[in-house]
Order: sequence, then structure tokens, then C-alpha cells
Amino acid sequence: GNSVTQMEGPVTLSEEAFLTINCTYTATGYPSLFWYVQYPGEGLQLLLKATKADDKGSNKGFEATYRKETTSFHLEKGSVQVSDSAVYFCALSEGYGGSQGNLIFGKGTKLSVKP
Amino acid sequence: GAVVSQHPSWVICKSGTSVKIECRSLDFQATTMFWYRQFPKQSLMLMATSNEGSKATYEQGVEKDKFLINHASLTLSTLTVTSAHPEDSSFYICSARGRQRFSYEQYFGPGTRLTVT
Repeated sequence: GNSVTQMEGPVTLSEEAFLTINCTYTATGYPSLFWYVQYPGEGLQLLLKATKADDKGSNKGFEATYRKETTSFHLEKGSVQVSDSAVYFCALSEGYGGSQGNLIFGKGTKLSVKP
Repeated sequence: GAVVSQHPSWVICKSGTSVKIECRSLDFQATTMFWYRQFPKQSLMLMATSNEGSKATYEQGVEKDKFLINHASLTLSTLTVTSAHPEDSSFYICSARGRQRFSYEQYFGPGTRLTVT
């Protein structure tokens, strides 16, 4: 079945460090891929998305590129801030172009950024 | 953006009692609502999907008689944990998807922390 695997945390970085959180997926069809962020005490928020191969999603300095050849959607940010401390979830939506809508999540990666 | 609320944000109940959690879409009509359960340091596990006006579809392994879901209107879904036990203690999250251009867009509520003593 479809699944998402992301690197386990926690990840601890100093402010302004480079961030990479790896995410790989297994899926049939042409899923859409997402990164969600969960700040302490809050619900999940969509951070960025990509709906087809080679698409790059970006938001708030974060980027991720949909790589079909490596079935990956790694999250990157060039310079993290303390306010980026949160749990990050990689997810896919099944079906062609994500039309089916159900989300499958990875286990989440907790990021802590120290000043 | 679309806002989804949950009530209560946390609840403590005694073993054997029932607890109802509400999920509301505040500024859009939610044709589909999803209920997830999140364990500590683990991913979100989809429990069930409900479409307005029809019965919920439960994921394999989720007891439908224990976790009652009602999607009463286009802005409200409820999850009732019946005869709760300590193992039901968890973080329950709902999400809602409405009549939008991109059908996969789900908006998540802030979650409800349930503790069963």
C-alpha cells in the first residue's frame, strides 16, 4: 500500500543553520505531496505542496521538490529560525493528482532550533 | 484562510463514560470531514471519513460502535468516544475539506487531548 517514510528526529539545529528533512514515499498512480507543520499547541498547517513530478513547493523560506525518479520530497530551508521549531509531517494524497483526497502521513520530525 | 475549530481542546473523563468532541468549519462548508488519532511521537492515524448526510467510513481496525461519528451538517461533525477506557487516551484531530478548487485541500483543527482516568 501507499506509505510515507521520513527521517526520525528530533533534529536540533542552531539558528541560521541549513535544514534538510528527508521524506520518501511509496505510491501507485500520481500522488500529490505535502509538508505540514505543527507548532506547539496548535493544529497542523499546510506548509507547502507539489502536485506533479518536478514541481517545487515553497513557503516561508522552505522548499521541497517532487522527485519521481527517487520517490522523494525532501524539505529544505537555508537558514532556520527559532520560530521554525515545530513538528514537520510529510504526507501524500492518493489518486491521480491527489483527487481522492485522503492523506497518508509520515511519523513526523520534531525540529528544535536553538538561538 | 479556512478555519476549523474543535471543542473541547482538552477533556478528562472517568473510565466507562462517554465523551463527545465537536469539529466545526467556521468559514466554509465542509463536504467531507476526517478524524485522526495521534499518539505521542507517532504519526496521525486516520480513523474515519465522513461525508455530510451519509454514514462515516471507518478505517480497518477502528471500532465504529466505540467511535461514533456524526456529520450533522456542512459545518459540524462530532466524534463520540463511548465507554471510554484509559487506552483511548490520545490526541484527536479533525480536518475538513470543502467545495474548493483543489479537492485534496484539508484544513485541520487544533486537536482535542482526551485523558481517561
